[in-house]
Amino acid sequence: DSGVTQTPKHLITATGQRVTLRCSPRSGDLSVYWYQQSLDQGLQFLIQYYNGEERAKGNILERFSAQQFPDLHSELNLSSLELGDSALYFCASSSRTGGNEKLFFGSGTQLSVL
Amino acid sequence: GNSVTQMEGPVTLSEEAFLTINCTYTATGYPSLFWYVQYPGEGLQLLLKATKADDKGSNKGFEATYRKETTSFHLEKGSVQVSDSAVYFCALSSRAGGTSYGKLTFGQGTILTVHP
Repeated sequence: DSGVTQTPKHLITATGQRVTLRCSPRSGDLSVYWYQQSLDQGLQFLIQYYNGEERAKGNILERFSAQQFPDLHSELNLSSLELGDSALYFCASSSRTGGNEKLFFGSGTQLSVL
Repeated sequence: GNSVTQMEGPVTLSEEAFLTINCTYTATGYPSLFWYVQYPGEGLQLLLKATKADDKGSNKGFEATYRKETTSFHLEKGSVQVSDSAVYFCALSSRAGGTSYGKLTFGQGTILTVHP
């Protein structure tokens, strides 16, 4: 158990809908990262938050947004969903940003867009 | 930009066989290199890492050496077990341009299956 909790584990929805994925980092970790894993794109970094502020951005679509709350949990919002958004979305946390800190990954949310 | 190329799988071995999974990279600056492992139904776990040239990362019998001259970080294990069956990802992070170390660039992953 990595200590990172993601909910829900599975999500099935229709095109055009909006969903929210939730991540609770390990106790004490200030950094949260979101990754998307799909068969065609592999593992792609989406976005990072550190202590409530956006720190780095990757291949995140404009239809997607994220935030980190004062209690350090994070939410990834996906809107106007398309079939191609079907993927496994991982959250990871670390104790700080910068340096070679170890990332701890949650077990992911499997999103299926029908 | 940064990129990681892994040998394509799947790789199927018998128990106690020698394992090599090739990984090469392209990066700006001086990247750190990682191997992550993903067991079925789980998230990724850090297996080992190396932060500078000629460093050797090791864990659970797995080893990888950071080779700057060949831009490689090949994963090896002398004797694999059935429990090593998983997907293995090579990854790098680089602070070039002020980006975060947590912004990992992953390879495509290599599926390893070990038979008794």
